[in-house]
Amino acid sequence: GDSVTQMEGPVTLSEEAFLTINCTYTATGYPSLFWYVQYPGEGLQLLLKATKADDKGSNKGFEATYRKETTSFHLEKGSVQVSDSAVYFCALSDLKQAGTALIFGKGTTLSVSS
Amino acid sequence: DVKVTQSSRYLVKRTGEKVFLECVQDMDHENMFWYRQDPGLGLRLIYFSYDVKMKEKGDIPEGYSVSREKKERFSLILESASTNQTSMYLCASRRTGGASGYTFGSGTRLTVV
Repeated sequence: GDSVTQMEGPVTLSEEAFLTINCTYTATGYPSLFWYVQYPGEGLQLLLKATKADDKGSNKGFEATYRKETTSFHLEKGSVQVSDSAVYFCALSDLKQAGTALIFGKGTTLSVSS
Repeated sequence: DVKVTQSSRYLVKRTGEKVFLECVQDMDHENMFWYRQDPGLGLRLIYFSYDVKMKEKGDIPEGYSVSREKKERFSLILESASTNQTSMYLCASRRTGGASGYTFGSGTRLTVV
């Protein structure tokens, strides 16, 4: 079945460092891809999404490009801040199964120090 | 501002109690979901509903039931709470359509003692 694999954390960076969190997926259909962020003690918030191959989602300085050839949706940010410390989840939605649940990766914890 | 509201942020219950976790959304979404989140295990789907009075089991339905009598409300029920149900519970809703993501509630941290 469909699945999402994220790099294991924790990822520890200094402020202003470059961030990459890897995400690869397996899907039989043509999924939409999402990144969610969870700040301490809160629910998940949508960070960005891409709905077709070569689309780039972006928000708050974060970017991810939907790469069908490598089945990847890696999250990047050029210069992280302490306030970016959170858990990041990659997820997919299969268009063939509209209305059913998103499939999530296990999450990657990011810790940014000043 | 559209939202998903979970009735409690923190809840402490005793073993054997019947526990109700409530979730309400104001976006007229067809689909609603209950997850639990535990360290190292990520998000695990308990139940979801794609329409009023409809429900589908997720990956870990044992020990839980759900109710959806109205479109905007989706309740998770722990029939007889046990300590291994201590967890963070997250509710989400979604419009039908592959490009639609979830909107999550803030979560309920349940402790069963």
